[in-house]
Amino acid sequence: DAGVIQSPRHEVTEMGQEVTLRCKPISGHDYLFWYRQTMMRGLELLIYFNNNVPIDDSGMPEDRFSAKMPNASFSTLKIQPSEPRDSAVYFCASSLRAGSEAFFGQGTRLTVV
Amino acid sequence: AQRVTQPEKLLSVFKGAPVELKCNYSYSGSPELFWYVQYSRQRLQLLLRHISRESIKGFTADLNKGETSFHLKKPFAQEEDSAMYYCALSGGFTRGKLIFGQGTELSVKP
Repeated sequence: DAGVIQSPRHEVTEMGQEVTLRCKPISGHDYLFWYRQTMMRGLELLIYFNNNVPIDDSGMPEDRFSAKMPNASFSTLKIQPSEPRDSAVYFCASSLRAGSEAFFGQGTRLTVV
Repeated sequence: AQRVTQPEKLLSVFKGAPVELKCNYSYSGSPELFWYVQYSRQRLQLLLRHISRESIKGFTADLNKGETSFHLKKPFAQEEDSAMYYCALSGGFTRGKLIFGQGTELSVKP
């Protein structure tokens, strides 16, 4: 297995544009997590899914952020409209079950100018 | 509310010195605690978890429920230990939730 796959690796966009980040979890994993990494706040949990169902989205900063998991092998995190303060590294991770090891993707470095 | 706190953003030590990366948590119940590590240009990966009670790369961590702490320790730091370390907690009404602290950057100097 190639592990958790995220795309794109880097994204540079202008303020106001829509941004879509993509994630393919490890096959068979029941949990999928989206995190945002910044120097100030470290690794913040944005939202997580169990069996494709969103369980807790309390970490999503604003209505501009949305996430979907249409099937067990794909998830998206969308920001519309994007703002410069959204610039960060966004990580996707998956785990087999609750409390088990989480496997991370390489991350997407987002820059909003 | 669940919370993980790592008070130090940066910890700098010399090779061979002891290392302790601090982690405190707030959680009512029986949490599962983890340490994850991110080496330069690599993915975040699990270092160890409290239920395993194992030593990985010379690192150990003991869960102290009285002090609500899960500090990471190593008696003799090596240059290859330089990395970003994150303490994490899983638990709650929805057991699958996994939250992280702010992270501590460990720099081991020769």
